[in-house]
Amino acid sequence: EAAVTQSPRSKVAVTGGKVTLSCHQTNNHDYMYWYRQDTGHGLRLIHYSYVADSTEKGDIPDGYKASRPSQENFSLILELASLSQTAVYFCASSEGTGDQAPLFGEGTRLSVL
Amino acid sequence: SQWGEENLQALSIQEGEDVTMNCSYKTYTTVVQWYRQKSGKGPAQLILIRSNEREKRSGRLRATLDTSSQSSSLSITGTLATDTAVYFCAPYYNVLYFGSGTKLTVEP
Repeated sequence: EAAVTQSPRSKVAVTGGKVTLSCHQTNNHDYMYWYRQDTGHGLRLIHYSYVADSTEKGDIPDGYKASRPSQENFSLILELASLSQTAVYFCASSEGTGDQAPLFGEGTRLSVL
Repeated sequence: SQWGEENLQALSIQEGEDVTMNCSYKTYTTVVQWYRQKSGKGPAQLILIRSNEREKRSGRLRATLDTSSQSSSLSITGTLATDTAVYFCAPYYNVLYFGSGTKLTVEP
């Protein structure tokens, strides 16, 4: 069954610390995405990738790095976590055409203290 | 949102009523998707409409797309309490960008 798995599901980090959020897909999709959702708001695109070893910036890339070491895995890295990065982070994968609906993971709730 | 914007932030209705949510987007696209997000879950696609389709139906859902005004709508007929969720429009520009969403509450 097609799936997108995020880990961890929740995390508490300290300001200035490094945080890595991981995403794994079993869908054989080319595209993978990282979105951020703040309470009561929509999803904003941070980074995406359409091929392994390459990443692209989305709308809000500042303060985030992304890594796509393989087709199945896509990580989001916060080198110096800040309070403002407290949010829920969603990973998604898709075929990469407008006709295909991305499949979303369950989300990672990140609290930076 | 830079890409899509639903016309209502929050809406509360009674079960059985019909509801329409509108979305406008700033840049031409040929595909608009509508998503529903239930509390604590990731978004799930409801319906996809293309520029060559003015209307598309799926069960109790009906989506429209007007490329000339760069707007789309999602209607739900005979709402149920289980339709309570946040609804997003997502115009497609090589990647999927989401609007800010409409929080729909359907009271039983």
